Amino acid sequence: DGGITQSPKYLFRKEGQNVTLSCEQNLNHDAMYWYRQDPGQGLRLIYYSQIVNDFQKGDIAEGYSVSREKKESFPLTVTSAQKNPTAFYLCASIGQGSTGELFFGEGSRLTVL
Amino acid sequence: KNEVEQSPQNLTAQEGEFITINCSYSVGISALHWLQQHPGGGIVSLFMLSSGKKKHGRLIATINIQEKHSSLHITASHPRDSAVYICAVGIDFGNEKLTFGTGTRLTIIP
Repeated sequence: DGGITQSPKYLFRKEGQNVTLSCEQNLNHDAMYWYRQDPGQGLRLIYYSQIVNDFQKGDIAEGYSVSREKKESFPLTVTSAQKNPTAFYLCASIGQGSTGELFFGEGSRLTVL
Repeated sequence: KNEVEQSPQNLTAQEGEFITINCSYSVGISALHWLQQHPGGGIVSLFMLSSGKKKHGRLIATINIQEKHSSLHITASHPRDSAVYICAVGIDFGNEKLTFGTGTRLTIIP
């Protein structure tokens, strides 16, 4: 079955460490997204990519980095520069054309100790 | 002011009741998505609408483009419908940046 796989599901990090969250999709979607979810707030866009080897900053990109070397993969690195990284992170992709259905991974919960 | 407003924020109902969740938005859109998030955190797409009405099982979604308003209805609600329902709007059809509402937490009591 097609879908999005995120890993790890839970991650603990010490302050000052970089961590990378994995996102893999087998839906053949061009567009992929990383969102951050905090309690009481709507999902906020961190980065998005519409094609391989290209990506754009979203609304809250500071302290994060991404790469898009393959269509299937869009990893997110939470760097030590991110002031408040404890959050729930969701990867998504969207179908093209008339469908435009949105697919999400199961999410990764990052806690900074 | 958030561009996407959902109401109510929290809703508790008895099993079998008819449920309505509302979403209002302030920008011109190409599509509106209704999403369901269960306690584990994963999000599932329920509907994508650009006009009119869609139905899937006990769920019905409507949109009024002129009034910039959408509703999600659940008929014969069941405890397994308990989840957070999120409305999101997109500007450019297909590959789009989405703006999300803060969600409606629905609890159905047996």
